[in-house]
Amino acid sequence: NAGVMQNPRHLVRRRGQEARLRCSPMKGHSHVYWYRQLPEEGLKFMVYLQKENIIDESGMPKERFSAEFPKEGPSILRIQQVVRGDSAAYFCASSRYESGSYNEQFFGPGTRLTVL
Amino acid sequence: KQEVTQIPAALSVPEGENLVLNCSFTDSAIYNLQWFRQDPGKGLTSLLLIQSSQREQTSGRLNASLDKSSGRSTLYIAASQPGDSATYLCAELDRDDKIIFGKGTRLHILP
Repeated sequence: NAGVMQNPRHLVRRRGQEARLRCSPMKGHSHVYWYRQLPEEGLKFMVYLQKENIIDESGMPKERFSAEFPKEGPSILRIQQVVRGDSAAYFCASSRYESGSYNEQFFGPGTRLTVL
Repeated sequence: KQEVTQIPAALSVPEGENLVLNCSFTDSAIYNLQWFRQDPGKGLTSLLLIQSSQREQTSGRLNASLDKSSGRSTLYIAASQPGDSATYLCAELDRDDKIIFGKGTRLHILP
């Protein structure tokens, strides 16, 4: 059973370009979470999604960032018109979901975005 | 606002010594607490998960404790080895399934 997969592992973009980061959850997991780790900072929650639905996007910057988790295919974190401050490691995690239970999150290897 | 603080930010210890990493959190209604390991340029590996009804968890040379009343958790590593060198992250898990991470302690075991 493969773990959480993220691609690309490394992504280089120039200022003003778009970045698309993909996350394939573990088999049987219906919930996806995105976290960002800025240099010398801890991981910060960005967004929590289930299939075709955003549950919590309280950690997402208000502009240029969006996330989706379609019925088919991976979850996508999209950053439009990237700026140097977007350079960071972006981690995805996935979990099963059982109401009233603790839903452990399993993390992918991350995508390291560098904006030139 | 929920916050997780880890002290120290960095630690160097000779091989073979026992050591303790500290974590404090502000949320007295903490749901679960988890310790992760992160190697340079890599993802996160879960080490120990302590549910709110528990006081400690053990795995091999690792032991993690949770004291909700004082808002503290410790990770104890026995007989440290060079392979233990990594960044250790403490994380609070809230009831909305969000994780609040500390900034981590960078551990270096000296051979």
